[in-house]
Amino acid sequence: QSVLTQPPSVSAAPEQKVTISCSGGSSNIEYNYVSWYQQLPGTAPKLLIYDNNKRPSGIPDRFSGSKSGTSATLAITGLQTGDEADYYCATWDTSLSAGLFGGGTKLTVL
Amino acid sequence: QVQLVQSGAEVRKPGASVKVSCKTSGFTFNAHYMNWVRQAPGQGLEWMGRINPNSGTTNYVQKFQDRITMTRDTSISTAYMEVRSLTSDDTAVYFCARSPRYLSSSNFDYWGQGTLVTVSS
Repeated sequence: QSVLTQPPSVSAAPEQKVTISCSGGSSNIEYNYVSWYQQLPGTAPKLLIYDNNKRPSGIPDRFSGSKSGTSATLAITGLQTGDEADYYCATWDTSLSAGLFGGGTKLTVL
Repeated sequence: QVQLVQSGAEVRKPGASVKVSCKTSGFTFNAHYMNWVRQAPGQGLEWMGRINPNSGTTNYVQKFQDRITMTRDTSISTAYMEVRSLTSDDTAVYFCARSPRYLSSSNFDYWGQGTLVTVSS
């Protein structure tokens, strides 16, 4: 059971928009930065969003992140079949003094 | 370019130990934390801990506190993680991942390719 809660799965049609939520608490998301990762089958995770809403170079602006209070959201617009993957949020927990990952969300592009 | 290259797959019997390496290049090894993250088959990502290569200081998740040791060799820009007293629950892919060197850092910007550790009698 992860401290950070994500929906197990989301789905949408190509070209549509999807959002993935990540819910935490005051010791983690509320006062620490959130990052998001994409993991394709059999590969290492890839950083999509860091510091709540920043994109590393090379990440298209179809991917965006936001945070409000104890929750964060990843939005993906203009969905492509190549976006089918598992998505994870991550943050630091000040009370645990540890990094945390959400349980992951499987995105299906119908 | 930044590279993290991990050692190859391992098979161990229950009760044994395993040591995984993560050889880095393309950046200043001492200037970033090195984290270890594992993923059991079909499961999510689990942060295990990190090492500050500059000082050797480590942060471990409490559940692993007694069974893991993270070390580094700065002369060859390589990080290591040893896991002891292995059980079948430790069967997983183990990743090393770089992050900026500040206390609440969780931006894992570069990852190794992963090392599969299989624990089986």
